[in-house]
Amino acid sequence: DQQVKQNSPSLSVQEGRISILNCDYTNSMFDYFLWYKKYPAEGPTFLISISSIKDKNEDGRFTVFLNKSAKHLSLHIVPSQPGDSAVYFCAASDGGATNKLIFGTGTLLAVQP
Amino acid sequence: NAGVMQNPRHLVRRRGQEARLRCSPMKGHSHVYWYRQLPEEGLKFMVYLQKENIIDESGMPKERFSAEFPKEGPSILRIQQVVRGDSAAYFCASSPQREGSGSPLHFGNGTRLTVT
Repeated sequence: DQQVKQNSPSLSVQEGRISILNCDYTNSMFDYFLWYKKYPAEGPTFLISISSIKDKNEDGRFTVFLNKSAKHLSLHIVPSQPGDSAVYFCAASDGGATNKLIFGTGTLLAVQP
Repeated sequence: NAGVMQNPRHLVRRRGQEARLRCSPMKGHSHVYWYRQLPEEGLKFMVYLQKENIIDESGMPKERFSAEFPKEGPSILRIQQVVRGDSAAYFCASSPQREGSGSPLHFGNGTRLTVT
């Protein structure tokens, strides 16, 4: 049962344009959502998060949007840079005492110079 | 990913051998999580530990896998009698002591286990 889904395995974007990565979830108990970035042979690196009480969080070039009614979140990167090329994972937590994160399968972003 | 140290980075084992993966959390972090990433898949939760306690092992296979986080020293993920299906990247993450959810986990660079 895939509770967090990233339906696009890959995305290609031109440098300077906007990258939009999407994520859907099924568990309505999730109340905290995160995006991680992962380069080959490295561990995931935390990018940005959002609590379910908000619908937008912004940090520099990265903005995460949350639509609770649609159980959908997205990560916007603008402007995209070649160094942003990596796999992006969406993750969610249900607010339990464990802070256990459930990850999506990832989207490979390629930013073309 | 400075701070969370995993070793070895690469581990090759023959079928039937034991694999021991080590994780030292970030300084000041007392919560450790182990995740596994199979090829072409996302990260799957395995186990959550605090010092000397297993809190949630709902993602651990019922047999051959065990984990510990002793009072002194790193957390250990142990796989006995490895099989080819155990080949994967195993990631450790840590977080500081906290109440409730709402803080990101900090990941190490993983151990890539290859079973031949």
